[in-house]
Amino acid sequence: TAGITQAPTSQILAAGRSMTLRCTQDMRHNAMYWYRQDLGLGLRLIHYSNTAGTTGKGEVPDGYSVSRANTDDFPLTLASAVPSQTSVYFCASSDSSGFVGELFFGEGSRLTVL
Amino acid sequence: AQSVAQPEDQVNVAEGNPLTVKCTYSVSGNPYLFWYVQYPNRGLQFLLKYITGDNLVKGSYGFEAEFNKSQTSFHLKKPSALVSDSALYFCAVRDLLSGNTPLVFGKGTRLSVIA
Repeated sequence: TAGITQAPTSQILAAGRSMTLRCTQDMRHNAMYWYRQDLGLGLRLIHYSNTAGTTGKGEVPDGYSVSRANTDDFPLTLASAVPSQTSVYFCASSDSSGFVGELFFGEGSRLTVL
Repeated sequence: AQSVAQPEDQVNVAEGNPLTVKCTYSVSGNPYLFWYVQYPNRGLQFLLKYITGDNLVKGSYGFEAEFNKSQTSFHLKKPSALVSDSALYFCAVRDLLSGNTPLVFGKGTRLSVIA
């Protein structure tokens, strides 16, 4: 079972360029999430979606957008990248029924903005 | 608002010794508490969770955690550490009263088990 698939694994991007990080899950989970991980700051939530067709803002949403057209896909777009968006990005999903489901994480996408 | 604190950035322990990774939380209602582990260059993996019931929760790889409501803590423990336990550990919380809001993670604690 693939679980959560993220692409690309790693990317170097020039500042000002746009970039979409892809995330696909095959577990039919309702909820999906995007986190960024930075040294000393832990995991911070960027955006989330509790079900297809809905999205919400997390702790650090500025500079990022998401869409949830279907259950399986949850892409994260940087419209105009800045160096402070250099980070490791993790997509996650959960079967959110009863709010007790654990998160399943992808392997991450390492983004460097120069 | 919900929050979680991991007071130690780094924990060092000798192989075979017991280990504890600390976590405290703050919620308005009752907490759902989770522990995750991250190995180098990998995503986070679920270890265990407390929802309700027995305060001692057993999880993967021999780990367990004790929920202490009076101390608002959920420390991760293992009786005998292995070198392979060396990783980054994250505590996370969700407030039962907050509805279907995402988990809030701590900043992580790096565990080093020395042979």
